[in-house]
Amino acid sequence: DAGVIQSPRHEVTEMGQEVTLRCKPISGHNSLFWYRQTMMRGLELLIYFNNNVPIDDSGMPEDRFSAKMPNASFSTLKIQPSEPRDSAVYFCASSHSSRNTGELFFGEGSRLTVL
Amino acid sequence: SQQGEEDPQALSIQEGENATMNCSYKTSINNLQWYRQNSGRGLVHLILIRSNESEKHSGRLRVTLDTSKKSSSLLITAFRAADTASYFCATDSGNTPLVFGKGTRLSVIA
Repeated sequence: DAGVIQSPRHEVTEMGQEVTLRCKPISGHNSLFWYRQTMMRGLELLIYFNNNVPIDDSGMPEDRFSAKMPNASFSTLKIQPSEPRDSAVYFCASSHSSRNTGELFFGEGSRLTVL
Repeated sequence: SQQGEEDPQALSIQEGENATMNCSYKTSINNLQWYRQNSGRGLVHLILIRSNESEKHSGRLRVTLDTSKKSSSLLITAFRAADTASYFCATDSGNTPLVFGKGTRLSVIA
């Protein structure tokens, strides 16, 4: 199993540009989570999906952030327009919600720097 | 907002010693999990303890849970340099996603 795959691993962009982060969850997992990690705020949940349906997006900072999951094997997190305060590491994680382990499998993260 | 809060924020340990990290949380939970994160990498699940369990072992890891005090501890025995990482506790309360603490940075004393 390849694990959760995220791309790009690193992104440097200028303020105002659109940023798209991508995630491929583990095959067979039906829950997908987007987290953001910063030194100041730690690991924050942005949004999660069950069976491709967004369940809770209350963690999305503002309307500049949007996430989609068009099918079971792909999700995107988009920031438009990006701002320097969006600089962080963005993690995607997946799990099999019907198994009672609750274990999350994380990707390696996408490190975003907005200049 | 964080549910779990790890203590200490940073810890330096000599190889061969035991390392203990603590986690406190605020509301009732179903499960508590510990994760490890190496620098520049994603989080990796270590161990899960359910609310009706008080202690669990996995290799050199020992986790305790005291629901009356809303706290958990993670003990790593015989610390090795390769154990250097950040360690996070995470809690869930039924059908809610995991909420993570800010972590304990564990390093080796050279």
